[in-house]
Amino acid sequence: DGGITQSPKYLFRKEGQNVTLSCEQNLNHDAMYWYRQDPGQGLRLIYYSQIVNDFQKGDIAEGYSVSREKKESFPLTVTSAQKNPTAFYLCASSIEDRFPYEQYFGPGTRLTVT
Amino acid sequence: GNSVTQMEGPVTLSEEAFLTINCTYTATGYPSLFWYVQYPGEGLQLLLKATKADDKGSNKGFEATYRKETTSFHLEKGSVQVSDSAVYFCALRPYSSNTGKLIFGQGTTLQVKP
Repeated sequence: DGGITQSPKYLFRKEGQNVTLSCEQNLNHDAMYWYRQDPGQGLRLIYYSQIVNDFQKGDIAEGYSVSREKKESFPLTVTSAQKNPTAFYLCASSIEDRFPYEQYFGPGTRLTVT
Repeated sequence: GNSVTQMEGPVTLSEEAFLTINCTYTATGYPSLFWYVQYPGEGLQLLLKATKADDKGSNKGFEATYRKETTSFHLEKGSVQVSDSAVYFCALRPYSSNTGKLIFGQGTTLQVKP
């Protein structure tokens, strides 16, 4: 079955440590996205990538970094510079050349930093 | 700029009641419109979509009609079930966008009681 995999589902880290969240898709989608969701709030875009080896900052990129070395993979690193990293992180993908470009989401990773 | 406004929740209904969740948008041209649903602890699932004025998206008993004149895309269901309890997000993709970036509303929590 095609879909988006995020691992792990729960992640715990100590303050000051960098942590990398995994996102893999086998949908052959061109574009991938990372969102952050805080309790009771909507989604905020962190980074997105339309093609391999290229990505753009979203609305809240500070303290985060990404890479897109393969079409299937778009890992997100939460660095120690991120002031409030505890949140639910969602990865999504979409086809760039098929209107209307709806996004498909993974199951999410809940990151807790103490 | 582009934006999406949803009615505040939580919306609490009894089983078999009629559901309406209001969504209005601000955008130029003809954006594509989407409703996503998020069950507790999970990622978002695409519920339905519409791409032009007067289009009606429908899925699993839910419906929404793209109203250009009122810039609205209200979600409706004739008879809700306890299993419909979730957070519902309205989203748009700007007409002139060259990416798949979506703009999300804040989400509306629906609680259905037996």
